[in-house]
Amino acid sequence: GENVEQHPSTLSVQEGDSAVIKCTYSDSASNYFPWYKQELGKGPQLIIDIRSNVGEKKDQRIAVTLNKTAKHFSLHITETQPEDSAVYFCAAPQEKLTFGTGTRLTIIP
Amino acid sequence: KAGVTQTPRYLIKTRGQQVTLSCSPISGHRSVSWYQQTPGQGLQFLFEYFSETQRNKGNFPGRFSGRQFSNSRSEMNVSTLELGDSALYLCASSLEGVGIDTEAFFGQGTRLTVV
Repeated sequence: GENVEQHPSTLSVQEGDSAVIKCTYSDSASNYFPWYKQELGKGPQLIIDIRSNVGEKKDQRIAVTLNKTAKHFSLHITETQPEDSAVYFCAAPQEKLTFGTGTRLTIIP
Repeated sequence: KAGVTQTPRYLIKTRGQQVTLSCSPISGHRSVSWYQQTPGQGLQFLFEYFSETQRNKGNFPGRFSGRQFSNSRSEMNVSTLELGDSALYLCASSLEGVGIDTEAFFGQGTRLTVV
């Protein structure tokens, strides 16, 4: 089955700085990689995803990069704001969604 | 369009009791997956239903079961509750299934506390 490792588990950055979260996966057949943001008391919210036929995808301040050869993908958040504080999960679907262990991102005002 | 709706939002049950949680997916979505979220274990896959059939199952005991109705609404049931079943239970809705390259959207979850 799929195994997804996510780093770091916690991350604190100054407001306005960038944050990067990295994930590696084991199943080379995986071809779709979503990122979820979970705020306190809420369910995970899909914020961006990437498919294996592209190397990078951007949506305003958020970007995801994918390296299929190395089997890793990363979430990049630029110009961070206090509302970016949350837990972020990567996932790799293969019959089911296998999630990383999560990164608690704290933006320091 | 309406999102994924889970009911109830909060539940307190006693050990040994059983509980039923409900999930209404996004209109048109045929796949509903269930996940258990705990601080220690993270997000763990329970099972997926597609067109009223269980398509995949995670590594949970038989006390955890589910079903899906013809309108795609799904329920999960936990019998003989244990303290360790205390968790946030999340359902995810997708068009064709989370393993088939399509987006999955989560509900707010049901917070189950077993005392």
